[in-house]
Amino acid sequence: KAGVTQTPRYLIKTRGQQVTLSCSPISGHRSVSWYQQTPGQGLQFLFEYFSETQRNKGNFPGRFSGRQFSNSRSEMNVSTLELGDSALYLCASSFATGWVTDTQYFGPGTRLTVL
Amino acid sequence: EDKVVQSPLSLVVHEGDTVTLNCSYEVTNFRSLLWYKQEKKAPTFLFMLTSSGIEKKSGRLSSILDKKELFSILNITATQTGDSAVYLCAVESGGSNYKLTFGKGTLLTVNP
Repeated sequence: KAGVTQTPRYLIKTRGQQVTLSCSPISGHRSVSWYQQTPGQGLQFLFEYFSETQRNKGNFPGRFSGRQFSNSRSEMNVSTLELGDSALYLCASSFATGWVTDTQYFGPGTRLTVL
Repeated sequence: EDKVVQSPLSLVVHEGDTVTLNCSYEVTNFRSLLWYKQEKKAPTFLFMLTSSGIEKKSGRLSSILDKKELFSILNITATQTGDSAVYLCAVESGGSNYKLTFGKGTLLTVNP
């Protein structure tokens, strides 16, 4: 079974631009979560989608948004990029139906650098 | 605010040593505690713990959860250089506020 895939793997943007990251979950997984990882803050939860609906959102500004498509693929968008948005963005998928939780499997991440 | 604290932040041992990594937490609506190993890439799943006192074991790694005292430990026996990594503890909270809160991790270095 193929793992979680994320594209692109590396991205360089300048301040003020916007960026869209993509995540394809493991086949059959309907829950997709997004995380930001930085050396200072560690791994932080951004949001989680299940069946095209955002179920929960972490403490990030509105510049960070996402969506999920009917095939469970998800995109994350960051508008008006700031230097502090430079990070590894990880996507994780799980089977999780309803409120039943399940193990999350992480993708390789997208390394975003904002200059 | 949910909080997950791992200790120590870093640890250097020699091959063959046994190590114990700690994770304490304060969250609302606890569902499970997870351990991950992260090398130079995405975290890989190790254990998921939901019940107190039941040890999960995989080879030289084992973990146990204490839901009364709100902590978990991860033990690695007979360490090998390949065990060198950051070990992450995460707590899953459910209900209407589903999320995963991570600790900062423990950097384990195993020297030959």
